[in-house]
Amino acid sequence: NAGVTQTPKFRILKIGQSMTLQCTQDMNHNYMYWYRQDPGMGLKLIYYSVGAGITDKGEVPNGYNVSRSTTEDFPLRLELAAPSQTSVYFCASSSATGLEPQHFGDGTRLSIL
Amino acid sequence: AQSVTQLDSQVPVFEEAPVELRCNYSSSVSVYLFWYVQYPNQGLQLLLKYLSGSTLVESINGFEAEFNKSQTSFHLRKPSVHISDTAEYFCAVSVYNDYKLSFGAGTTVTVRA
Repeated sequence: NAGVTQTPKFRILKIGQSMTLQCTQDMNHNYMYWYRQDPGMGLKLIYYSVGAGITDKGEVPNGYNVSRSTTEDFPLRLELAAPSQTSVYFCASSSATGLEPQHFGDGTRLSIL
Repeated sequence: AQSVTQLDSQVPVFEEAPVELRCNYSSSVSVYLFWYVQYPNQGLQLLLKYLSGSTLVESINGFEAEFNKSQTSFHLRKPSVHISDTAEYFCAVSVYNDYKLSFGAGTTVTVRA
C-alpha cells in the first residue's frame, strides 16, 4: 500500500541552487498535483497534470517547473532556489473522475538558506 | 472562482468535549465540499465529503458535517473528541467539471486531557 511517495523528506538548499522533488504513485491515477503549504495559508496549487504529457499551471507556479512523462511520476523542479520557496511541498493524485479524494504524500520539507 | 474561509485558526478543546470547526465557501456555481485532516508530519487524508444528496455527511470516526446552501457553509462537528483528534483540519471546495481543490487556511485542533 505505497500510495503516493515523495522524496526526499527533508532538504536544505542554498540560494540559487536547483533541485527536483520526486513524486510517484502506484494507484494508476491520471490526475496529479503539487501543492505548497505555508503556515496559516492552507495549501496552494503549484502545478497539476491530467495525464502523461499534459501539465498546467496552478495558483502559484512562478519559480517551478514540472514534467509528466509517465502516469506514475510527477517531479517538481526548482531551478534557482529563493528563500520565498521555503515551504512544505505535497504531491497528490486522484482518479480520472476528479471527484474521488486526492491522495497525498507525506511531504517534503524544504528550507532555502 | 471559488474560495473557502475557515473562521477559526486555533481551537483548543478538552477531551470528551464537543468541537465545531466553521467553514464558509464562496462560489457562483454548485460546489462539492471536503474536509481533510492532517496529523503531525503527515500528508492530508480525506475525512468526509459532500457531493450531492443528504446534506449531513458522516465519517467513520465520529465526525459529521452539514452542507447549508443558503448560508454557504460546511461546518464540521464532533460530539466528543479524543486526544488522537489533535490535528489540523482543512476545508476544501471544488466545482463541477473542475477537479482542482481550493483549500481554506486550516484550523488547528488541540485536545487536552
